Amino acid sequence: EPEVTQTPSHQVTQMGQEVILRCVPISNHLYFYWYRQILGQKVEFLVSFYNNEISEKSEIFDDQFSVERPDGSNFTLKIRSTKLEDSAMYFCASSDGAGFYDEQFFGPGTRLTVL
Amino acid sequence: GEDVEQSLFLSVREGDSSVINCTYTDSSSTYLYWYKQEPGAGLQLLTYIFSNMDMKQDQRLTVLLNKKDKHLSLRIADTQTGDSAIYFCAEYSGAGSYQLTFGKGTKLSVIP
Repeated sequence: EPEVTQTPSHQVTQMGQEVILRCVPISNHLYFYWYRQILGQKVEFLVSFYNNEISEKSEIFDDQFSVERPDGSNFTLKIRSTKLEDSAMYFCASSDGAGFYDEQFFGPGTRLTVL
Repeated sequence: GEDVEQSLFLSVREGDSSVINCTYTDSSSTYLYWYKQEPGAGLQLLTYIFSNMDMKQDQRLTVLLNKKDKHLSLRIADTQTGDSAIYFCAEYSGAGSYQLTFGKGTKLSVIP
């Protein structure tokens, strides 16, 4: 069964460093998403991406964040200068449409720890 | 803004029924979902219900929706140890938005 994969499973970085979290969505999907979950908090929407551009973003997704689909298979989330409060589990998801019936398939997540 | 609330923990004995509850605030929520996350895995869609429905049953799963009280529940009959996981309630209001709004998740522990 096709699945969304994410690498690495755990990333540790120093405050102020740049990190890139990688995702390989399901191959025929067109819509891509990033969510995050700070420990003990809710899963929060960050951004959606379609047709090589951002479709929607939350207030969390500020200028420190960017997304890219560099090669037609990977979907990346870059955090330019990490802060302690960026420590969270980051989930990538993909879907083949954007309606309620278009299931968003989630990857296993990347745990980001900022020291 | 939209908000979804769930209790954090539930513990049940194997064979009993589990009921996981969720409340939401967005009266325009049109679709509500239950996702399951097993250790080391991503969130997996279990079931969903439209806001014009009161109940949906799918094998051992029963979803009840009280739209007046904005309350959603997931009942798992004959709970098994394999049902131990974190269960997330989520809502989708549509209206041009792509995002799902999630709760914190309820950790279900099944005691053998």
